[in-house]
Amino acid sequence: GAGVSQSPRYKVAKRGQDVALRCDPISGHVSLFWYQQALGQGPEFLTYFQNEAQLDKSGLPSDRFFAERPEGSVSTLKIQRTQQEDSAVYLCASSLGGLAGGKSYEQYFGPGTRLTVT
Amino acid sequence: GQQVMQIPQYQHVQEGEDFTTYCNSSTTLSNIQWYKQRPGGHPVFLIQLVKSGEVKKQKRLTFQFGEAKKNSSLHITATQTTDVGTYFCAGPQGGATNKLIFGTGTLLAVQP
Repeated sequence: GAGVSQSPRYKVAKRGQDVALRCDPISGHVSLFWYQQALGQGPEFLTYFQNEAQLDKSGLPSDRFFAERPEGSVSTLKIQRTQQEDSAVYLCASSLGGLAGGKSYEQYFGPGTRLTVT
Repeated sequence: GQQVMQIPQYQHVQEGEDFTTYCNSSTTLSNIQWYKQRPGGHPVFLIQLVKSGEVKKQKRLTFQFGEAKKNSSLHITATQTTDVGTYFCAGPQGGATNKLIFGTGTLLAVQP
């Protein structure tokens, strides 16, 4: 079956521009996550949805970052007035469920969107 | 805040040698997951450990979860060039969330 897809794969934005990154999770996956990965670092949590509800947005770096998942499937991460420090790979992941009985569901990652802000 | 550290940051081995990466969390984890990320790729789930002291094997890979559920290790026997990549451990932050905190990662290079 199809995995997690993300678009665009590469995005170059001029400082100050707005960008929108799209994630198509695996069909039927309840949970959706956004991560930011800088070069040579591990993924850093940005935000988490369970269906259409955004349950945790504690990792969003500033109020310029906004994520939505209005119908509980496709999600969009929007970055307003991009800055150079926003340059990174943005990864989306989905999982079948949440945390239950101490056991997490494995997360399936998309290929990521590499954002370069010039 | 919660931190998950891995050592070493980088390891270069000759093909056929063994490799181990260690993962240490500042807090007790309900479970730990391991992911592999090939150069230019995205993280791919390898395994999850849940029980204290648990050991799981996948062919040449052996995963351990510490007794205190604060540390874990991944050991690869007789490395192959296909093992190249960065290995991340990850654990849920807090007691009731699916939010994962990823470790700092260990980059494995294998020379044929």
